[in-house]
Amino acid sequence: EAQVTQNPRYLITVTGKKLTVTCSQNMNHEYMSWYRQDPGLGLRQIYYSMNVEVTDKGDVPEGYKVSRKEKRNFPLILESPSPNQTSLYFCASSLYGLTEAFFGQGTRLTVV
Amino acid sequence: TQLLEQSPQFLSIQEGENLTVYCNSSSVFSSLQWYRQEPGEGPVLLVTVVTGGEVKKLKRLTFQFGDARKDSSLHITAAQTGDTGLYLCAGAMDGTSYGKLTFGQGTILTVHP
Repeated sequence: EAQVTQNPRYLITVTGKKLTVTCSQNMNHEYMSWYRQDPGLGLRQIYYSMNVEVTDKGDVPEGYKVSRKEKRNFPLILESPSPNQTSLYFCASSLYGLTEAFFGQGTRLTVV
Repeated sequence: TQLLEQSPQFLSIQEGENLTVYCNSSSVFSSLQWYRQEPGEGPVLLVTVVTGGEVKKLKRLTFQFGDARKDSSLHITAAQTGDTGLYLCAGAMDGTSYGKLTFGQGTILTVHP
């Protein structure tokens, strides 16, 4: 089954404790992105990747890092999480940048 | 400032009514997509429009891309309770990096039986 898998689905952590949210897709898509979703703001793009080892900043990249060492994986790293990074995070992949984006089920992160 | 403004933000209607959701911008988009999201799930693509003036139909849903490619609308005829959800428009602006997608803030639609 074609899918984008994020882990974990829920995470509560403390300020400053490094964390990684994993994302994997099995569709051989070139493009992958990370978004955060906050009430009234819709989805805001954090980072995107056009292929292995090629990444670029989205609209809200501050406080986040990404890497794309393999085509199928695109982890999101928060080196020093802060409470304003409490949000619902989605990973998405698409064959090309502007074709249909397939989304994971989301990771609800709470930073206390 | 939202580059893509959706209106209304909330819509509560009775089953059988018609509705329209708007997605507007001052920028030109090379393509625009509409997604629907249910609680606890990620957004799912409904349609992509790429040509100014384009109209696409998906059963009771009609999507239109403005002639100048700055706006779009989603019209639902005879809404059903199963249409309840969050509707999001998303676009790729002309001149921006390939793959950079901008989303509107969403319209929460509730259809009552």
